[in-house]
Amino acid sequence: DAKTTQPPSMDCAEGRAANLPCNHSTISGNEYVYWYRQIHSQGPQYIIHGLKNNETNEMASLIITEDRKSSTLILPHATLRDTAVYYCIVRVDTPLVFGKGTRLSVIA
Amino acid sequence: GAGVSQSPSNKVTEKGKDVELRCDPISGHTALYWYRQSLGQGLEFLIYFQGNSAPDKSGLPSDRFSAERTGGSVSTLTIQRTQQEDSAVYLCASSLSPGLNNEKLFFGSGTQLSVL
Repeated sequence: DAKTTQPPSMDCAEGRAANLPCNHSTISGNEYVYWYRQIHSQGPQYIIHGLKNNETNEMASLIITEDRKSSTLILPHATLRDTAVYYCIVRVDTPLVFGKGTRLSVIA
Repeated sequence: GAGVSQSPSNKVTEKGKDVELRCDPISGHTALYWYRQSLGQGLEFLIYFQGNSAPDKSGLPSDRFSAERTGGSVSTLTIQRTQQEDSAVYLCASSLSPGLNNEKLFFGSGTQLSVL
């Protein structure tokens, strides 16, 4: 499934904001954008999702461009525990399909 | 309450043997998913159960793989005549929402299957 494109890896300094990009240029009008993360040796963890509007919760913010062809997940103050693989998924009416994601390394 | 529970956490078996992997979803969750993750790879969708509807089996890699969900709760993934390429972490997830949109999946810790 190639509905999303993410950089394979990123580094972020501890305490700084981590901005993880995702391209989904073929997204259709009713498809949601989901973000999950997987910390080593654990099952994936839901972070946030959105359709059109920007979203914020206790974990992160999701910024979706007006044309919905790309989005950015923002971790406002990254900690070492945020080191994980982050998956951006676009879907509607189908089970989640996980790509390779972005491996975020938070560095002290 | 408790999260998604999977058992066993580790399973070592010999090539050609059958194995059963168990998943206890979060109480009240109507949707249940199985995925697998080979070493260093992404998650591969296997099968999806939603309430009393027929399961979506489109991700099962071969007819050696099957899954059941009894009473709308516990699910068992069975792999017959295991092969070495079946070695992977098998992950189960459940969801409260009745549909596939606007839902959150909660994952278990997985079963590490090793086929010798």
